[in-house]
Amino acid sequence: DAGVIQSPRHEVTEMGQEVTLRCKPISGHNSLFWYRQTMMRGLELLIYFNNNVPIDDSGMPEDRFSAKMPNASFSTLKIQPSEPRDSAVYFCASSLAGQLTYEQYFGPGTRLTVT
Amino acid sequence: AQSVAQPEDQVNVAEGNPLTVKCTYSVSGNPYLFWYVQYPNRGLQFLLKYITGDNLVKGSYGFEAEFNKSQTSFHLKKPSALVSDSALYFCAVSALYGGSQGNLIFGKGTKLSVKP
Repeated sequence: DAGVIQSPRHEVTEMGQEVTLRCKPISGHNSLFWYRQTMMRGLELLIYFNNNVPIDDSGMPEDRFSAKMPNASFSTLKIQPSEPRDSAVYFCASSLAGQLTYEQYFGPGTRLTVT
Repeated sequence: AQSVAQPEDQVNVAEGNPLTVKCTYSVSGNPYLFWYVQYPNRGLQFLLKYITGDNLVKGSYGFEAEFNKSQTSFHLKKPSALVSDSALYFCAVSALYGGSQGNLIFGKGTKLSVKP
């Protein structure tokens, strides 16, 4: 299996621009998670989906952030408009919920820099 | 509310010596506990988990962890450290919603440095 795939790996954009991060979970997994990692705040859960349905989006910073999961093999995290404080590494993870497994598998991350 | 604490920002160990990275947790109900490792510029990698059963859990790369319910701890251990073990280690607990898996709640991480 290819693991969780994220694109792009690096993104540099100017303040005010729209940014879209993409994630392809591991085939067969039914839960998908978006995290953000910064030196100041550590690893933060932004939102997670179960069977393509958003379950908890309480970690989404504000209305500038939105996430979708149109099908079981694809999810996007969009920031519009972007701000310098959004600079971070964004991780996507997937898992097979409902079994005695529960561990999440992480993608390589997207390093976002907003200037 | 569920929470995880990693009391040490950094742990320094000489190669060949045993290592321990500490983790304590607070949950309502049965805890599902995990350890992850993150190498520079990489995503988190799953090391091991405790769901139920034997309190001593063995994982990848020779790591193990002991679940201690009375002390609400889940410390990560390795008998003999390698320089290549140097990385950032995260402890996590799974929150449950109605008995189903929810998100993982991560500690702030502990940087392990193994010197030759």
